[in-house]
Amino acid sequence: DSGVTQTPKHLITATGQRVTLRCSPRSGDLSVYWYQQSLDQGLQFLIHYYNGEERAKGNILERFSAQQFPDLHSELNLSSLELGDSALYFCASSSGTSGSNEQFFGPGTRLTVL
Amino acid sequence: AQSVTQLDSQVPVFEEAPVELRCNYSSSVSVYLFWYVQYPNQGLQLLLKYLSGSTLVKGINGFEAEFNKSQTSFHLRKPSVHISDTAEYFCAVTPVGAGSYQLTFGKGTKLSVIP
Repeated sequence: DSGVTQTPKHLITATGQRVTLRCSPRSGDLSVYWYQQSLDQGLQFLIHYYNGEERAKGNILERFSAQQFPDLHSELNLSSLELGDSALYFCASSSGTSGSNEQFFGPGTRLTVL
Repeated sequence: AQSVTQLDSQVPVFEEAPVELRCNYSSSVSVYLFWYVQYPNQGLQLLLKYLSGSTLVKGINGFEAEFNKSQTSFHLRKPSVHISDTAEYFCAVTPVGAGSYQLTFGKGTKLSVIP
């Protein structure tokens, strides 16, 4: 158990819908990263928050947005869903802003868009 | 920008045999290097990391990796694999001193240990 929790574990929805994925980092970790894992693209970085502020964006679609709240949990919002958004979404947390800090991964949320 | 190439998508190996999973990277800046393992239906777990110093790093579960700067490689090895090592292995890099430390992953190598 990494100490990172993600809810829900599974999510099945229809095209055009909007969903929210939630991530609670390890106690004391200020950084939250979101990654998408799909069969064709592999593991791709989406977005990084540190202590409530956005630090970096990767290959994140405009239909996707995220935020980190004062209690440090983070939410990833996916809207106007398409079939191609079906994937496993991971969040990871780390304690600081150094690349040497290990990122601890949650168990993921499996999103299926029908 | 960084990129990571894992040269083998699947590696079958017999139990108790040695294994090497290959990883090459490309980057215009210095990087930290990582190997993660993903067991079926689970998240990623760090096996080992190279930050600086000795180029041979040891990780959990008997794995080790060697950083070769001239060949921009970071191959993962284990002298004797077990059935429980069956999993997918990901090599990843992050730039040193960039302010944000997102990981760039390779496509993964599926290790299948045959009894």
